[in-house]
Amino acid sequence: DAGVIQSPRHEVTEMGQEVTLRCKPISGHDYLFWYRQTMMRGLELLIYFNNNVPIDDSGMPEDRFSAKMPNASFSTLKIQPSEPRDSAVYFCASRRTGSGNTIYFGEGSWLTVV
Amino acid sequence: TQLLEQSPQFLSIQEGENLTVYCNSSSVFSSLQWYRQEPGEGPVLLVTVVTGGEVKKLKRLTFQFGDARKDSSLHITAAQPGDTGLYLCAGYPSGTYKYIFGTGTRLKVLA
Repeated sequence: DAGVIQSPRHEVTEMGQEVTLRCKPISGHDYLFWYRQTMMRGLELLIYFNNNVPIDDSGMPEDRFSAKMPNASFSTLKIQPSEPRDSAVYFCASRRTGSGNTIYFGEGSWLTVV
Repeated sequence: TQLLEQSPQFLSIQEGENLTVYCNSSSVFSSLQWYRQEPGEGPVLLVTVVTGGEVKKLKRLTFQFGDARKDSSLHITAAQPGDTGLYLCAGYPSGTYKYIFGTGTRLKVLA
C-alpha cells in the first residue's frame, strides 16, 4: 500500500512568493495532520482535519498560512507571501479511526525561502 | 506551551553504553508513543504505551509509561551506531484529538 505522499520533496523560493505544499493521505484514513519541523521549535502541529473538516488550526502561525482539504484524498498547505523564517520541513500525516493512535508520516517537504 | 518535555536534548555516547531518555508532562495522556526519525525522513513509530506502569521491550529498547500516565522513558541497552537519530515521544493529551510531539532527543552513538 502507498504511504502518505507529499510534494514537492524540496522547494527553494524567493521571499514573497506563494508556496503550495501537497499531501495525499493513505486511502481510508479520516484524519490528516500538517506539522512543521525546525531545529529550534521541533515538530509543531499546524492544523488537523477530520473527514476533510478542519478541527484545530490553532497552530497555524499567522494569516499567511492556510490549509484546505477539498476531498478525502488531497490536502494543501499554502503560504502566501512566504518569508525566510518559514524555511522548515513540512510533514503531512494521516491516521484512521479505530487503528489505535498510529499516525503515518510522509517523507516531508523541505522548504527554503531565500 | 510545550506539553511534552524531553531530556536530555542532546546525547553523544560510545557504542556499548546504556542510556535513558525521558518524556515528561504535567498533563495526562491516554497513551504515549515513541518515534525515531532519521535525517531526511519522517518519524517512524517504535512503540505505543497505553496502561499506566506499562513496560514494553523492543530488542534492546525498553519503554515505560508512568503510573500516572504523565511521563515515559526510553532505555537503550548497549547502544549501537545504528541507534543514532532523533527520538520523539508523542501523544494525545486526555480529552483532545490534538496529537503533539515532545521536544526531541538527538542521540549520536559513536563507534
